Amino acid sequence: AQSVTQPDIHITVSEGASLELRCNYSYGATPYLFWYVQSPGQGLQLLLKYFSGDTLVQGIKGFEAEFKRSQSSFNLRKPSVHWSDAAEYFCAVGPNQAGTALIFGKGTTLSVSS
Amino acid sequence: DAGVIQSPRHEVTEMGQEVTLRCKPISGHNSLFWYRQTMMRGLELLIYFNNNVPIDDSGMPEDRFSAKMPNASFSTLKIQPSEPRDSAVYFCASRTGGNQPQHFGDGTRLSIL
Repeated sequence: AQSVTQPDIHITVSEGASLELRCNYSYGATPYLFWYVQSPGQGLQLLLKYFSGDTLVQGIKGFEAEFKRSQSSFNLRKPSVHWSDAAEYFCAVGPNQAGTALIFGKGTTLSVSS
Repeated sequence: DAGVIQSPRHEVTEMGQEVTLRCKPISGHNSLFWYRQTMMRGLELLIYFNNNVPIDDSGMPEDRFSAKMPNASFSTLKIQPSEPRDSAVYFCASRTGGNQPQHFGDGTRLSIL
């Protein structure tokens, strides 16, 4: 069955420290992968996406993610976290097929301490 | 560019009342998705449409929920009768075909008293 697992429900990071949010997926074919961020009271905003090619993708707000096929992972990273990065982060996977829905993980809440 | 537009942003109503949530997808997007988000259950896909046709409604909780997409620029999610356990944030998202991401609206925060 297709699924996305975000093992960490809640993470706290000091401002200025590096961040890595984990995402593992189970998918039969080559997946398309996405990371979204949700700030309180807002909808989900796309951070970055991976379709093919370079396995290290850059996104908005200084985020990047690396696709590792052998580990079925697509972890999100940021070298230096800012207080404004506190939010909930969702990993999603989908097929290259029109008219299909993405499968979302349950999310990781990021808190940033000063 | 206008994003996905949802209305109302907030809705408070009493148990038993009919609730209608509205969504205008991004122009040119041919897939539309309705989600429900709660603390307990996270983000749940309720139903989605492709080219105005419902493709998968297996996430709709029960017969009290219904969704329509009469044209490419408008969709509704209706709850009748509403119950307190329907209180949640409801999101609409739209997408073009293939490998494109879903774009989300800001959601409707629904409270059933």
